[in-house]
Amino acid sequence: DAEITQSPRHKITETGRQVTLACHQTWNHNNMFWYRQDLGHGLRLIHYSYGVQDTNKGEVSDGYSVSRSNTEDLPLTLESAASSQTSVYFCASSEIGPNEQFFGPGTRLTVL
Amino acid sequence: QKEVEQDPGPLSVPEGAIVSLNCTYSNSAFQYFMWYRQYSRKGPELLMYTYSSGNKEDGRFTAQVDKSSKYISLFIRDSQPSDSATYLCAMTRGGVAQKLVFGQGTRLTINP
Repeated sequence: DAEITQSPRHKITETGRQVTLACHQTWNHNNMFWYRQDLGHGLRLIHYSYGVQDTNKGEVSDGYSVSRSNTEDLPLTLESAASSQTSVYFCASSEIGPNEQFFGPGTRLTVL
Repeated sequence: QKEVEQDPGPLSVPEGAIVSLNCTYSNSAFQYFMWYRQYSRKGPELLMYTYSSGNKEDGRFTAQVDKSSKYISLFIRDSQPSDSATYLCAMTRGGVAQKLVFGQGTRLTINP
């Protein structure tokens, strides 16, 4: 069965370190998205991609970067982790168009 | 002001009650409206999907969209303890703009 996976599921890191969160989908979807979820804010879009080599900034992109070298993967990098980036991160993918987004299980990141 | 507003609750009701969840939005360009359900420590899953104004029914769930009032609703009939989750509304303009804008989510508890 097709799926979307995220790793690691939990991560504790220190302020200033570089962190990369992995997202892998087997649906062959063109669209991939990264969100963070915080109390009182719901899901906020960090970065998104409509295909290989395409990346776009979302609502809260400062301090984050992504690259899309193939269809299946969209890793999210925190260049220099800050305590304000402590959050739950969700990756999602969808077919082209205003279609259902399929979400991964999430990564809980703590920055100390 | 947020583009999409959703009362975060929490909302607690007895089993069997009718539940009404609502969102308002400010962007009249939104055409596609979705409700996602998120269980604790899981990723969101699509529950209902509606295009433009009108009603859509699926079992115990009914989604309503009133574009003239910029207001969407999700009704749950004969609510069950298994409906206890966070419900997030989401919407998009469609077309080339395929990213979703989410409400903050409403945490719902159905008490046996």
